[in-house]
Amino acid sequence: AQTVTQSQPEMSVQEAETVTLSCTYDTSESDYYLFWYKQPPSRQMILVIRQEAYKQQNATENRFSVNFQKAAKSFSLKISDSQLGDAAMYFCAAKSGGGADGLTFGKGTHLIIQP
Amino acid sequence: DAGVIQSPRHEVTEMGQEVTLRCKPISGHNSLFWYRQTMMRGLELLIYFNNNVPIDDSGMPEDRFSAKMPNASFSTLKIQPSEPRDSAVYFCASSYPGQQQFFGPGTRLTVL
Repeated sequence: AQTVTQSQPEMSVQEAETVTLSCTYDTSESDYYLFWYKQPPSRQMILVIRQEAYKQQNATENRFSVNFQKAAKSFSLKISDSQLGDAAMYFCAAKSGGGADGLTFGKGTHLIIQP
Repeated sequence: DAGVIQSPRHEVTEMGQEVTLRCKPISGHNSLFWYRQTMMRGLELLIYFNNNVPIDDSGMPEDRFSAKMPNASFSTLKIQPSEPRDSAVYFCASSYPGQQQFFGPGTRLTVL
């Protein structure tokens, strides 16, 4: 079983600036995956980025990157050059193993983009 | 591909009524998940299936909730009888084993 903690209920950033969303997790598994999902007002859940725990290299997807600190059990999301369309709820999630297990989500961070 | 399809998108019912939520996974995906989202508890996994077989239903809140997957292209989540505290957004997601989960648009359930 995993637990996922997001300590920032809300964050605000100026358009074009960089923002970092925090996430910590706890797991007894040696093989696990970490994810960031975006949920805009439409409530559609959109995968932003994923990280395999066995990979040391931090995942990157265009303006989105993670800082994966395995020993500290930390998995933060950095959004560079913030855009108005980035405004949404962001959820950190964890999944054990490579099989079809369910996701454990954090409570989410509401990201506001100031024009 | 149409993605994961959920119906209805919105459901308003009265306490005590039976509610059935439906999900059609992406064709070829053999894992299916039901999640519930509330303000108080966030996103929670209720149950998931592999190859139409329920694997873990430990997240199902109580006996009033049941889920079935009679074939690879259809699943239902039923609440009987419904209670106001069941009001939430219910998401269905599907995937290949170990791969990215694709979420449906959700069903917003309101129990009066």
